[in-house]
Amino acid sequence: GQQVMQIPQYQHVQEGEDFTTYCNSSTTLSNIQWYKQRPGGHPVFLIQLVKSGEVKKQKRLTFQFGEAKKNSSLHITATQTTDVGTYFCANDMRFGAGTRLTVKP
Amino acid sequence: ETGVTQTPRHLVMGMTNKKSLKCEQHLGHNAMYWYKQSAKKPLELMFVYSLEERVENNSVPSRFSPECPNSSHLFLHLHTLQPEDSALYLCASSQVRVGGLANEQFFGPGTRLTVL
Repeated sequence: GQQVMQIPQYQHVQEGEDFTTYCNSSTTLSNIQWYKQRPGGHPVFLIQLVKSGEVKKQKRLTFQFGEAKKNSSLHITATQTTDVGTYFCANDMRFGAGTRLTVKP
Repeated sequence: ETGVTQTPRHLVMGMTNKKSLKCEQHLGHNAMYWYKQSAKKPLELMFVYSLEERVENNSVPSRFSPECPNSSHLFLHLHTLQPEDSALYLCASSQVRVGGLANEQFFGPGTRLTVL
């Protein structure tokens, strides 16, 4: 698996605002996975993207895989306090550093 | 509950102690993993076992010794650890298909290790 770079490291938003985290690689990725880790918890699988330009949605979460398969993003619309946690991207067992999201009610 | 259990959940040990972490998966998966998660570094892959064979060892110090007696159980034997080894140790499992893409990993709750 390739090492993936993830930004930002931290993001603090007001409840109702949108949130986006980005994952980048210098090489083409076979796939990208996204996980969420709640405070005090363990990573939980959210989704896997495989195809170039793929877009998948899960309620307020939108996941994208770049056309060149070198980047990916996770966008949350209208954040809620339940969205708090650290979001990781991963490629074949290699995890990005994660983006820690905090939401102010 | 993800179907992956880890014991103990918390462990405090001295640098001269020997202890073992245990992981068990009830999902019928054929691959198991050890990760280290500390405040200073992202999730670090330590060991990978696929079909009970170690397929990856990411330059982990020899004071960490993994053991995979069968596809459902994974151990991490610890001896003469250092304070900087204090971290959350996470076990995960997945179903790996030959020639196929990596599948989602299911993580256990982790063992919070403190080395004094």
